[in-house]
This record gives sequence, structure tokens and C-alpha cells, in this order.
Amino acid sequence: EAGVTQFPSHSVIEKGQTVTLRCDPISGHDNLYWYRRVMGKEIKFLLHFVKESKQDESGMPNNRFLAERTGGTYSTLKVQPAELEDSGVYFCASSQGLRGSTDTQYFGPGTRLTVL
Amino acid sequence: QKEVEQDPGPLSVPEGAIVSLNCTYSNSAFQYFMWYRQYSRKGPELLMYTYSSGNKEDGRFTAQVDKSSKYISLFIRDSQPSDSATYLCAMTDYKLSFGAGTTVTVRA
Repeated sequence: EAGVTQFPSHSVIEKGQTVTLRCDPISGHDNLYWYRRVMGKEIKFLLHFVKESKQDESGMPNNRFLAERTGGTYSTLKVQPAELEDSGVYFCASSQGLRGSTDTQYFGPGTRLTVL
Repeated sequence: QKEVEQDPGPLSVPEGAIVSLNCTYSNSAFQYFMWYRQYSRKGPELLMYTYSSGNKEDGRFTAQVDKSSKYISLFIRDSQPSDSATYLCAMTDYKLSFGAGTTVTVRA
């Protein structure tokens, strides 16, 4: 069974440009999470989807970040316009949703975003 | 103050040694405690998962939780070079809160 996949693996853009990150969760997983790790800091929660609905987006840094989950399948995270402080590794994770918050979250390999 | 404190290391040990990792936390609402292992350029992978205070063993790995002290530990016995990775503690009341991760190198 395929794990969580993320695309691209690495993106280098200039300040002010737009970048869209994609996450494909494990098939059948209702829960999808986005996390971010900026240099030297811990991994931080960004938001949580249950199917196509945003359950919690309290970790989104500002309105330059827009997350969507089309039809409850894959998800995209768009940063527009990108700023230098957005550089970091963006992780996606998914879980089945059988036990709510105690479900095991399976992480993708991450997208390394560099904003110049 | 961070919700979860973890010494980033790095930690270097010889093969066969016991690796001891720990985290402290401040949020009493945390109920579930995990340890993730992350290899370079990979995503975190769940290693151990505990709910209550006490010990949990899985092969060479032992996780300890002391809720009264808000302190969790991970021990790796008979460490191997393949255990070289970054180990992240994480805890949740709903969403995961991570420690900074400790980079461990096991020397052959």
C-alpha cells in the first residue's frame, strides 16, 4: 500500500511568487494534516481536514496560506505571495479517523520550500 | 515557554550502548505520548505510542511516561548504526505537539 506522498520534494522560489504544495494521503484516510518545520524549530501543526472539511486551521500563520482538499482526497497548500520566513519543510500526514485524535498519523516525506 | 522541550543534541554513542532520550512538557491536557523516528530527507515515522504513566516495551525500545513530573523518556538498548536518526517526542490532546528532535549517531 502506498504511503503518504507529497509533491514536489523541493521547491525554490523567489519572494513574492506563488507556490502550491500537494499531498496525497493514504487511500481511505479521512484525516489529513499539514505541519511545517522551519529551520531550527520544532514541527508545528498548521491545519486538519476531516474529509473535505477544515476541522482546525488554528496553526495557519496568516492569510497568505490557503489549504484545500478536493473531494476529500488529495490536498493542496498554496502560499501566495511567498515570504522569506515561509522557508522550511512542509509535512503532510494522514490518519484513518477511527479513534479521533489518538489515530496514528502517517507522515509524508515533506516538501522542502526555499524562498529567496 | 515551549509546550514541549527536547534537547536537540547531537548525541553520539558507540554501537551496543544504551541511548537515553527525554522530553518535558507543560500542558497537562496532553494524554497521548509518542516517539517518532526521522531519517534524513524522510518524514517522521511512529516508533512508540503510550497513553498512561508507566513503561512500554517494544523490542529494544522502552518508552516511559511520568505524568506527575510531565516527563517522558525513550531508551534504546543495544543500539545499532541503523538507529542513527533524529528522534522526536510528540504529544497530543487533539493535535500533535512536537519536541525539537534529538539527533542520534550510533558509531560502528
